[in-house]
Amino acid sequence: EPEVTQTPSHQVTQMGQEVILRCVPISNHLYFYWYRQILGQKVEFLVSFYNNEISEKSEIFDDQFSVERPDGSNFTLKIRSTKLEDSAMYFCASSVDRGADTQYFGPGTRLTVL
Amino acid sequence: TQLLEQSPQFLSIQEGENLTVYCNSSSVFSSLQWYRQEPGEGPVLLVTVVTGGEVKKLKRLTFQFGDARKDSSLHITAAQPGDTGLYLCAGGGRVTNAGKSTFGDGTTLTVKP
Repeated sequence: EPEVTQTPSHQVTQMGQEVILRCVPISNHLYFYWYRQILGQKVEFLVSFYNNEISEKSEIFDDQFSVERPDGSNFTLKIRSTKLEDSAMYFCASSVDRGADTQYFGPGTRLTVL
Repeated sequence: TQLLEQSPQFLSIQEGENLTVYCNSSSVFSSLQWYRQEPGEGPVLLVTVVTGGEVKKLKRLTFQFGDARKDSSLHITAAQPGDTGLYLCAGGGRVTNAGKSTFGDGTTLTVKP
C-alpha cells in the first residue's frame, strides 16, 4: 500500500541552525501539507501546498519557515533559524485532491532543538 | 477559527466494555475524520464522514456524523487491549481551507485485559 515517507526520523540541532525536513508524498497525490505536534499538544496545521505554491498557511508558519517541492517526488520543510520552541514532531501529509478527507500522514520527524 | 473539542480526554476501561468518544464543535465541517495515533508515529486515518447523519462501521467501531455536521462520535463495542491508543478527530474544510485539517486534542484510550 502506498505511504508517505519522511526523513530523518529524528533530527537534533542547535538553536539558530537551519534544518530541512524531507517528505516523499504518495506518488499520485497533488496536495501536500505540513503539520506539527508539540509534545503533549494537539496536531497543528502549518501549511498546504499545491501546484508549486502555498495554498494556505497558519500563524505558526512565519518567515522562518519555507516549503519547496524541488523535484517530482520530494516535499521539504525548511526552518531557517531554529528556536527551542520549534522542538516538535513534524508530520507531512498528502492527498489526491483538495479535500481533507483523503489526507494520509507520514510517520513524522522528531525535531529536537538544543 | 474552527475548534474541535474531544471528550473524554482520558478513558480507561476493562476488556469487553463498550465506550463512546465525542468530538464537538460550534463550526460546520465539510467532512470529519477519525484517526488513531500510536506514540512516536503519525496519525492513521480510520474513517471519513461527509454527510450529516452518516453512520459508518469499521468492524467493532461505529462512527457517526451529526446532522448539522458539527459533531461526531466514535463508539467501540466490546473493546480489546489492541484498541488502546490515542484517537483523534479532525475536521476538514473543502472549499475555504484548502483541505487543511483542524485537529481535536485527542482521547487516550486504555483497555485493560
